[in-house]
Amino acid sequence: GNSVTQMEGPVTLSEEAFLTINCTYTATGYPSLFWYVQYPGEGLQLLLKATKADDKGSNKGFEATYRKETTSFHLEKGSVQVSDSAVYFCALSDTSTGNQFYFGTGTSLTVIP
Amino acid sequence: ETGVTQTPRHLVMGMTNKKSLKCEQHLGHNAMYWYKQSAKKPLELMFVYNFKEQTENNSVPSRFSPECPNSSHLFLHLHTLQPEDSALYLCASSQDRWPKGTPLSYEQYFGPGTRLTVT
Repeated sequence: GNSVTQMEGPVTLSEEAFLTINCTYTATGYPSLFWYVQYPGEGLQLLLKATKADDKGSNKGFEATYRKETTSFHLEKGSVQVSDSAVYFCALSDTSTGNQFYFGTGTSLTVIP
Repeated sequence: ETGVTQTPRHLVMGMTNKKSLKCEQHLGHNAMYWYKQSAKKPLELMFVYNFKEQTENNSVPSRFSPECPNSSHLFLHLHTLQPEDSALYLCASSQDRWPKGTPLSYEQYFGPGTRLTVT
């Protein structure tokens, strides 16, 4: 079946630190992979995506590379800011299951000045 | 209005009340979704509509009743809820992948959610 596993939080970092949030997946078909971010009191916003192996998604300084050999899609940012404090969700969409998404449990990030 | 909007943003209701949540998307999409987000639990898909037809119902109790009159509007009618139904209810929309297996990726766009408290 399809599933997403992401590292448990919460994660607390100092401003300008390096961020990695791990995400691994299982899928029966050829998934597309996504990272969503949820700021306090808001819905989920698409942060970045990758649709095939070796693709790199990037946005706002965040990056993630679709690694088929390790079934991973880890989120990274070289220098976090206080404004990056939010909950981050890894997700996959498998073409064999139509438009259903499978979300991870979310990782809470707090960046302190 | 742009994107996906949801009303109301906050709702407090008693267990005997009947209320409705509304979602509207301004993106020209043809698939819409209801999710439930509870504290410390994964995001739960409740219902999926494609071209106004319900295609997914993930064993949701009948006290939740969805309605999709057209591709831009989605409602969630609530009645006789329980305190454990208190949660953030999120609406999302996307293009649909039709037919299934078309190798394109259609991301979902979310509304801000309705924070529901059942007393």
